[in-house]
Amino acid sequence: DAGVTQSPTHLIKTRGQQVTLRCSPKSGHDTVSWYQQALGQGPQFIFQYYEEEERQRGNFPDRFSGHQFPNYSSELNVNALLLGDSALYLCASSPALEFYEQYFGPGTRLTVT
Amino acid sequence: AQTVTQSQPEMSVQEAETVTLSCTYDTSESNYYLFWYKQPPSRQMILVIRQEAYKQQNATENRFSVNFQKAAKSFSLKISDSQLGDTAMYFCAFMNSPYNNNDMRFGAGTRLTVKP
Repeated sequence: DAGVTQSPTHLIKTRGQQVTLRCSPKSGHDTVSWYQQALGQGPQFIFQYYEEEERQRGNFPDRFSGHQFPNYSSELNVNALLLGDSALYLCASSPALEFYEQYFGPGTRLTVT
Repeated sequence: AQTVTQSQPEMSVQEAETVTLSCTYDTSESNYYLFWYKQPPSRQMILVIRQEAYKQQNATENRFSVNFQKAAKSFSLKISDSQLGDTAMYFCAFMNSPYNNNDMRFGAGTRLTVKP
C-alpha cells in the first residue's frame, strides 16, 4: 500500500516565477491538506481540499492556490514567488470522517533564488 | 486562536535512558486532539502518538507515552529506553474536533539527540 507521495522532491525557482507541486494521497484517503515548513520551524497549515473543493484555508495570501482532482490527488500552485516562499511543502492525506488521521508525504523542498 | 508552545529547542539523552519533551497549548475548546510527530532528517513526518482530549487515560505506544494534563493544557512526551533511531525533530501538534476547523497547529519543535 503506497503512502502519500509528492513530486518533485526538490525544486529551484527564480523570484517572480510560478510553481506547481503535486500530491497523491494514501489509498483510501479523500482529503488532502497542504503545509509550509520554513527552515527551523514547525509546519503551517495552508489549506485543505475535500470533494474537489477548498474546505478550509490558513493565513496565506491568494498567491497560494490549489486544486483537487476526481482521483483525490492534489496540486499546490504558488504564483509570483518570493524569496520567503523557500520552504519544505508537506502534503497530508486523511479519510473524510477521520481528519485527525493525517499521514504526511516526504515533502517538496522549494528554493527561490 | 489555538497556539502550541514547545519550550525546549534542543535536548539530548543517553541511549537506553528516558527523556521527556514538553508541550503546552492554548485553546478554549473542550474537545480536541493532540499529537506528537517525529521528523527525522529524511523529512518524513511520522505520527508517534495521539491523544483525544475527552479521554482521561494517557495514550501509550510501546516506548512512547504521554502525560496529558487537560486543566493545565500540558501534553508531554516520554520516551523510554531511548534508541539511536529516536534522534529527530519532535513536533507537538493540536487539532480541533474534526468537524470544526480541523487544521493542525504545530509547535516550533524540539531537536532530540540520542547519544551512544
